[in-house]
Amino acid sequence: EAGVVQSPRYKIIEKKQPVAFWCNPISGHNTLYWYLQNLGQGPELLIRYENEEAVDDSQLPKDRFSAERLKGVDSTLKIQPAELGDSAVYLCASSLHRDLPYNEQFFGPGTRLTVL
Amino acid sequence: KQEVTQIPAALSVPEGENLVLNCSFTDSAIYNLQWFRQDPGKGLTSLLLIQSSQREQTSGRLNASLDKSSGRSTLYIAASQPGDSATYLCAVSRSGGYQKVTFGTGTKLQVIP
Repeated sequence: EAGVVQSPRYKIIEKKQPVAFWCNPISGHNTLYWYLQNLGQGPELLIRYENEEAVDDSQLPKDRFSAERLKGVDSTLKIQPAELGDSAVYLCASSLHRDLPYNEQFFGPGTRLTVL
Repeated sequence: KQEVTQIPAALSVPEGENLVLNCSFTDSAIYNLQWFRQDPGKGLTSLLLIQSSQREQTSGRLNASLDKSSGRSTLYIAASQPGDSATYLCAVSRSGGYQKVTFGTGTKLQVIP
């Protein structure tokens, strides 16, 4: 069974340019998460989807970040325009369903973004 | 607000040694606690998940315990190997409704051959 797939793995852009990351969760997983991980830190949640609905986007900087999960399967996270401080690893994770007695999350390999 | 602390931030041990990694959290109203491993440049791999009603979980050479009353979890690694070298993160899910996950900053482990 394929795990969480993310692309691209690495992205280098100049500041003020747009960038997009793609994630395909594990088949059948209803819940999808986007996390940001700075160097030496743990991941921090940006947005969580239950199917196609964004149910927690309180930590998403909405002036420059946007996300979508139109058909409740794969998802795209976009930054426009990118700033130097956005350089980080962007992780996607999925879990089966939030109402299970536990909520084990499975992570993709991440996209390492460098903004010059 | 839940805060998760992992001490030490880095640890270097000789191969074969048994070791313990620590995770502390401030809010004991948790739903579960999960230990992850992260290799350089890679995503997170789930190691063990302990539900709030459980005290410990074991997988191979790994054993994780949970003490909600003291706000602590430990990950025990027996007979460490160079392949265990990685960053280990704990993550806590809060109980009730949406189980928001809070991660610790991790412990970077190096096992020296």
